[in-house]
Amino acid sequence: DAGVIQSPRHEVTEMGQEVTLRCKPISGHDYLFWYRQTMMRGLELLIYFNNNVPIDDSGMPEDRFSAKMPNASFSTLKIQPSEPRDSAVYFCASSSPSGYTDTQYFGPGTRLTVL
Amino acid sequence: RKEVEQDPGPFNVPEGATVAFNCTYSNSASQSFFWYRQDCRKEPKLLMSVYSSGNEDGRFTAQLNRASQYISLLIRDSKLSDSATYLCVVSWGGRDDKIIFGKGTRLHILP
Repeated sequence: DAGVIQSPRHEVTEMGQEVTLRCKPISGHDYLFWYRQTMMRGLELLIYFNNNVPIDDSGMPEDRFSAKMPNASFSTLKIQPSEPRDSAVYFCASSSPSGYTDTQYFGPGTRLTVL
Repeated sequence: RKEVEQDPGPFNVPEGATVAFNCTYSNSASQSFFWYRQDCRKEPKLLMSVYSSGNEDGRFTAQLNRASQYISLLIRDSKLSDSATYLCVVSWGGRDDKIIFGKGTRLHILP
């Protein structure tokens, strides 16, 4: 299995631009999670999906952030417009049908820098 | 009190020594507990789940103390390759389900 795939691995953009991060979960996993990691705040859960349906988006910082999961094999996290404080590593993770609290498998992350 | 709290370290430990980390959590309804390991500039990976009765995996031992609301990780005979950040994870289900990662404890094993 290829594991969780994320793209791009690195993204540098200017303030005000739209940023789209992509994730392909492990095949057969029903849960998909988006996290953000910074030195100051650690790893924060932004949103998670179960069977392509958003379950909890209370971690999404503000309306500039949106996430979609149009099918079981693809999800996007969009930031529009981006701001310098959005600079972080964004991880996508998926877990098996055993449940929400099962082992999560993380992708390699997207390192986002907003200038 | 923070939902999940860890000593950030760093812990600088000589190779071969034993080292232990604690992690405290605030929600008494927490149901699942894990330790993840994160290498520098890499993604977190599951190290081990933490069961009520305690569990061991080779040189690693995890324990849960529900009364005092903390989990611990013990590493025996530490290796250079154990150098990493160790993240404590606590979750609970139900109507207010949540999963919380601690900020991690950095461990440096010294040759």
